[in-house]
Order: sequence, then structure tokens, then C-alpha cells
Amino acid sequence: GENVEQHPSTLSVQEGDSAVIKCTYSDSASNYFPWYKQELGKGPQLIIDIRSNVGEKKDQRIAVTLNKTAKHFSLHITETQPEDSAVYFCAAGDRDDKIIFGKGTRLHILP
Amino acid sequence: ETGVTQTPRHLVMGMTNKKSLKCEQHLGHNAMYWYKQSAKKPLELMFVYNFKEQTENNSVPSRFSPECPNSSHLFLHLHTLQPEDSALYLCASSQGSPGEQYFGPGTRLTVT
Repeated sequence: GENVEQHPSTLSVQEGDSAVIKCTYSDSASNYFPWYKQELGKGPQLIIDIRSNVGEKKDQRIAVTLNKTAKHFSLHITETQPEDSAVYFCAAGDRDDKIIFGKGTRLHILP
Repeated sequence: ETGVTQTPRHLVMGMTNKKSLKCEQHLGHNAMYWYKQSAKKPLELMFVYNFKEQTENNSVPSRFSPECPNSSHLFLHLHTLQPEDSALYLCASSQGSPGEQYFGPGTRLTVT
């Protein structure tokens, strides 16, 4: 089955700097790679996703890159702001409508 | 608000109790999910329902029993739980395969 590894588990970044979170997956059949943000007391919320026919996708300050050959994908947040502080999860999905999540990265934006 | 509601938000139960968690989605989706979220562990998929039919049961102990009476409602019936079952239980729904999952706020369960 699919296995998703996520690093780092904790990340502290100065406000205004960039943050990068990396994930690897094991199942070459996975074709959907979403990123979720979870704030305290809430469920995870999708912030960006990428499908296997695209190498990079950007939405304002957030971008995701995918390297299918190496089976890794990354989340990039630029010009970080205090409201970016949260736990971020990567995930990989296959055709069977099952998404496997990474363990999460707790991002702290320092003032 | 994500369009997925869960009740109750908090639940404390003894090991001999029977309780149920409820999830409702107002998005017209055809798939619903139960996840378990424990500290320092990934989100663990428990059950998947597609068009009210269970399509996934991830080796979940029988003390957890799901029920999906229609495509908008999902229940998780709990009985004789163990303290290690204490966690945040999240419900999600989606349309399409695979597709964006919309999560509810979760039920924080404590088993004493």
C-alpha cells in the first residue's frame, strides 16, 4: 500500500521568509497530491492540490511542485504571515478514492 | 464552515458505554469518510462509503461500527472502547475519485 513520509515535523520561520515542506510517496499509481492546513480546533482544509500530469501549481503565496520520477512533492509558502501558523499535511491518492496522509508539519511563524 | 457538521464536538465515555458520533454533509457529495487523528500519528482512514456502500474498512476493530443511511449522513457507533481509542474523530466528504475532501471539525473523544 501507499506510504507517505513528510519532513520536517516542526518548522519555525521568521515572518516574511519562505517555508518549504517536503513529502515522498511510495506508490507509483498515486495521481493526486493534496495539501491540507489544520488550525487549532478545526478539521483539515484543502489549500492546494496537484495532479500527476502537472509539475508545478501556484496560488498566490502558495506553490506545490511534483517530481513523479523521484516520487516527491513539496509545498512552498512565500512571504509568510502569522496566520500561516498551523499544521500542514501532505497526502497522496490513488484511483481507489483513498488518500494516505503524512504525519504533518507544525509551522510556527515567528514575529 | 466547510459544509460538513459533526456532533457532538466533545465526548467523554467509559469503557462500558455505548455512544454514537454523527456526521452530516450539505454539499451533495457521494463519498463520506471516517478518520482517526491521534497525537504524533498520521490521519488514519477508518471507513469509506461511496453512494452509501462501504468500500473501505481499514482493519478497524469491531468495537467501531459505521452506518450510512443515506449519502448525506454518516454515523460511527462506539461500544466497549479502550483508553487508546481516545482521539479526534474526523468525518469528511468528497465528490469524484480521487478528489478534494471536505472535513468536519471533528469529535474529541476521551475514553476513561
